[in-house]
Amino acid sequence: EIVLTQSPGTLSLSPGEGATISCRASQSVSSSYLAWYQQKPGQALRLLIFGASSRATGIPDRFSGSGSGTDFTLTISRLEPEDFAVYYCQQYGSLPLTFGGGTKVEIK
Amino acid sequence: QLQVQESGPGLVKPSETLSLTCSVSGGRISRTSSYWGWIRQPPGKGLEWIGSFYYTGGTYYNPSLQSRVTISVDTSKNQFFLRLNSVTAADTAVYYCARHPASDAFDIWGQGTMVTVSS
Repeated sequence: EIVLTQSPGTLSLSPGEGATISCRASQSVSSSYLAWYQQKPGQALRLLIFGASSRATGIPDRFSGSGSGTDFTLTISRLEPEDFAVYYCQQYGSLPLTFGGGTKVEIK
Repeated sequence: QLQVQESGPGLVKPSETLSLTCSVSGGRISRTSSYWGWIRQPPGKGLEWIGSFYYTGGTYYNPSLQSRVTISVDTSKNQFFLRLNSVTAADTAVYYCARHPASDAFDIWGQGTMVTVSS
């Protein structure tokens, strides 16, 4: 099983600032099958990034993903008020599918 | 627009069976080249994949739950189902259904349904 470790656990930032979230895998994620999701209370999870760096439909370009192998990053260039949420990485390259523990981006 | 929606009892007694339904609208389970899956999230914790299936066959489960879980489908009703046997308090969670195209991420999620295991 591939274990995904996200850091930091919490980011305290102000609107307009940039955010960087790390996701480290216990073994290489095949074909960069790594996704990022956003979760807000009471809402369905939203796919942001797939294939490590491809934005999903309708996702603003302030969200970007990078990385390969075992190290991946989600970057939000300038935080908008609606971006304060919890973010999860997930690998879908091997079974069982696994998720990171989550990173909460909160308003400072 | 394809949508999925979970439904089922919000309270299950310990040792009993948790049964949930995922209803798919805006598209047919049997006409999309997709897998359909269940994921859960205990209160205040992260996400755990339970299992996924492809409508023509092939069901995959998380080894941590495999002995207790069954995922099935009724294509005539455009629904799929989760059964989790012998539940304990550790199975208390929000349960989500979602779609993921083959070799791809979960792109469509339901809102989730909270299930509490308690006597």
